[in-house]
This record gives sequence, C-alpha cells and structure tokens, in this order.
Amino acid sequence: GAVVSQHPSWVICKSGTSVKIECRSLDFQATTMFWYRQFPKQSLMLMATSNEGSKATYEQGVEKDKFLINHASLTLSTLTVTSAHPEDSSFYICSVTGTEGETQYFGPGTRLLVL
Amino acid sequence: SQQGEEDPQALSIQEGENATMNCSYKTSINNLQWYRQNSGRGLVHLILIRSNEREKHSGRLRVTLDTSKKSSSLLITASRAADTASYFCATDFRGSNYKLTFGKGTLLTVNP
Repeated sequence: GAVVSQHPSWVICKSGTSVKIECRSLDFQATTMFWYRQFPKQSLMLMATSNEGSKATYEQGVEKDKFLINHASLTLSTLTVTSAHPEDSSFYICSVTGTEGETQYFGPGTRLLVL
Repeated sequence: SQQGEEDPQALSIQEGENATMNCSYKTSINNLQWYRQNSGRGLVHLILIRSNEREKHSGRLRVTLDTSKKSSSLLITASRAADTASYFCATDFRGSNYKLTFGKGTLLTVNP
C-alpha cells in the first residue's frame, strides 16, 4: 500500500491563529486526497476531497473559507485551519487513494489543540 | 445517513479467543472496507470486500458481506493482545466517487 506522511504530528496554537497541516504521498502520485476530522472516541468524518490542480470539494457543513485545502502537486496536499478556535481542536487525518481508486491509505494524523 | 453502524461498540476478550464485529449500512455499495486504528494513530487498511463477493480471508481475518441484509462481519481468530484497537467499517456507496463513509467503530480489547 501507499505510504502517507503528515506534518506536524502535534500542534498547539493560540486561538485566532492559522495552522497548516501537510499530507504527503511518499511512494506514488495521488490524484485524489481526502481530509478527515476525528473527535475523541468518535468516527472519522470526511471534510473534503482534494484533487490535484483543482478546487477541493467540501462536505456539507464544512466551511471552505475556514478550512483551506491546496493540492498543488500529486504528492502534497495541505489543510490550513484559519483563525482557529478551541472547537477546532481535533485529530485531522488525510488519506490517498490507491491506483485502483478504491482503497484509501491513511496518514498518521495530526492532533491540533487550540488554546 | 449513509453511515455504517458497528456493533458491539466495545468488546473485551481474552487472548486466543475469537472476536466478531458487525457492521450494517443503509444503501447500495460498491465495496465495504475494514480499517484498524490504534489509539491516537492513523488508520490501517485491513481488507476490502466488493459487493459481488460474500466472503474474504486475509491471515487471521475473515470478512463476510450480506448485501441483502446490508451487513458485514469481521472475525479475528486466535486474537492477540496486539490486536487491541478500534475497528471501523467503511462503505463506498454507489455514486460516491470513492468517498468512504465510516461507521462508529468497535473498540476491541484483548486481555493477555
């Protein structure tokens, strides 16, 4: 399967600041990446689908101006949480699809704590 | 909601025993996948079963799919303490363009 990395793995920031999270596909070119959010002891909720070279598609209820997604290359997608607030504290996980488009391979996640 | 539902929500067993987790969903799917998540980590893909398949094996894992009942089960045989994790089913429902909808997960604890 694909190897996916995320950076940083942990971030603590003050309320009102912006935080950028990187998702990298290390061993193959990912045309599609997904961003999820997971609150403690809950399931993963899809935030957006990111296609290389085009605008991300956001799920209902996810503010596109707050969660900026950029998929500038086939190996890198970034999620920027703008003007973060404590309620944005969560575990953010990205995934990439394999060549067959079915299986998703997940990054290790980024834990965000907004004070 | 398309979301799958797993049961039980939590399962505690002894090492060596088998663990069975179930997942139900609501609409037609292309495939159903099972993932594992250790605490505070990303997800690891375990197995994918397509809508035209009924059973699949991978090592100590056995997955069944009953599309008439819209349900799937994951069986882990001869469990080990290292199998302790949360297990999620995820459905790729038709027309979703490979988007996955995750269930709430089953927290499995295997006691040594």
